[in-house]
Amino acid sequence: IAGITQAPTSQILAAGRRMTLRCTQDMRHNAMYWYRQDLGLGLRLIHYSNTAGTTGKGEVPDGYSVSRANTDDFPLTLASAVPSQTSVYFCASSDGTSSYEQYFGPGTRLTVT
Amino acid sequence: SQKIEQNSEALNIQEGKTATLTCNYTNYSPAYLQWYRQDPGRGPVFLLLIRENEKEKRKERLKVTFDTTLKQSLFHITASQPADSATYLCAPSGGSYIPTFGRGTSLIVHP
Repeated sequence: IAGITQAPTSQILAAGRRMTLRCTQDMRHNAMYWYRQDLGLGLRLIHYSNTAGTTGKGEVPDGYSVSRANTDDFPLTLASAVPSQTSVYFCASSDGTSSYEQYFGPGTRLTVT
Repeated sequence: SQKIEQNSEALNIQEGKTATLTCNYTNYSPAYLQWYRQDPGRGPVFLLLIRENEKEKRKERLKVTFDTTLKQSLFHITASQPADSATYLCAPSGGSYIPTFGRGTSLIVHP
């Protein structure tokens, strides 16, 4: 593994189903982030984690949950998917917080029908 | 609330010219400003970071300025090439501010 990986690459999901998007980094970065990107709205922060064991809410956290059991993994869970959660989801990590560049994964394209 | 503005209209320029992209922000005072490039279907890639006490920063054909009085950053690409065509995102950050991204400006460089 080099950098950040995300899985799955894409997914079509029925409304009401539960889904976990996976994110793994091998850079030993402290901070990790989940964004969604929608046409015309840009990147919006869903949840973040400054270090293992801590998480925080971003701009659009409703309907999503995260956990950070260790440094490398930061899964994003949709407990009961709704069509408005159709989006491209990006995971990112950085060595620190505000002054550190973020490294992004390749994204997961999720369609909720 | 914090607000970041980037030109929503695509910037079309001819190869060899200098492209200038603008990022304006309101209602906060970031200590840093980052610029990223995003190609279609891919995640953003970090390009440059400029600090509030730096007026200008350069990296190869890229130049970024940061005017904390105007609350504005300008991103320049000199001698632009078709391969520079992409969407460019600015992200003010610093202190308690997690990097927040603008919606990006699409740059199209015509050969």
